[in-house]
Amino acid sequence: DTEVTQTPKHLVMGMTNKKSLKCEQHMGHRAMYWYKQKAKKPPELMFVYSYEKLSINESVPSRFSPECPNSSLLNLHLHALQPEDSALYLCASSRGGVIHPNTEAFFGQGTRLTVV
Amino acid sequence: DAKTTQPNSMESNEEEPVHLPCNHSTISGTDYIHWYRQLPSQGPEYVIHGLTSNVNNRMASLAIAEDRKSSTLILHRATLRDAAVYYCILGGAGSYQLTFGKGTKLSVIP
Repeated sequence: DTEVTQTPKHLVMGMTNKKSLKCEQHMGHRAMYWYKQKAKKPPELMFVYSYEKLSINESVPSRFSPECPNSSLLNLHLHALQPEDSALYLCASSRGGVIHPNTEAFFGQGTRLTVV
Repeated sequence: DAKTTQPNSMESNEEEPVHLPCNHSTISGTDYIHWYRQLPSQGPEYVIHGLTSNVNNRMASLAIAEDRKSSTLILHRATLRDAAVYYCILGGAGSYQLTFGKGTKLSVIP
């Protein structure tokens, strides 16, 4: 199984809603990532977890709250988002944690988020 | 983070080889060179990576300059399915976080 599964595929939420994005992998990878991608732009790194601990936070606003409950799961909790937060949210994983650059990352298909 | 420079776009005819260049003049000795591609409406997909020597896999070849300041991704026979944005990314020990640049949009002409 070399898949990273993201749910839901599409999400529409209001600015006062609370929602969560979910990411799952069963490859034994110990690094997991959240990226944000606006239309026609490259993915932008948001968070990195290494061995279930938050390793990197790229100055992301607190309305985005990541969580890594175990080595297979990564969540992104959303609260009080703005319309400009509408984007494709991508999850990725790689083996060995962030200290191993000689490896490949596997990406999910993303969650298309629309904030209204 | 060390930066990469790629052309914004390239075109290729179907079934011909494609050479996608990447400049990374500030690469450090421990940085690996990674290539990913993103097909329309999909997440990025790993293509290949290397450190110093040229690398081949079933998808592509990676040619790395002797001074490591540039590299070239080679698709041996472009197909319509290879039309995508190709990203060249540097990843180093202790900071493997895949920071994407703008990439090269490859169009394949039938």
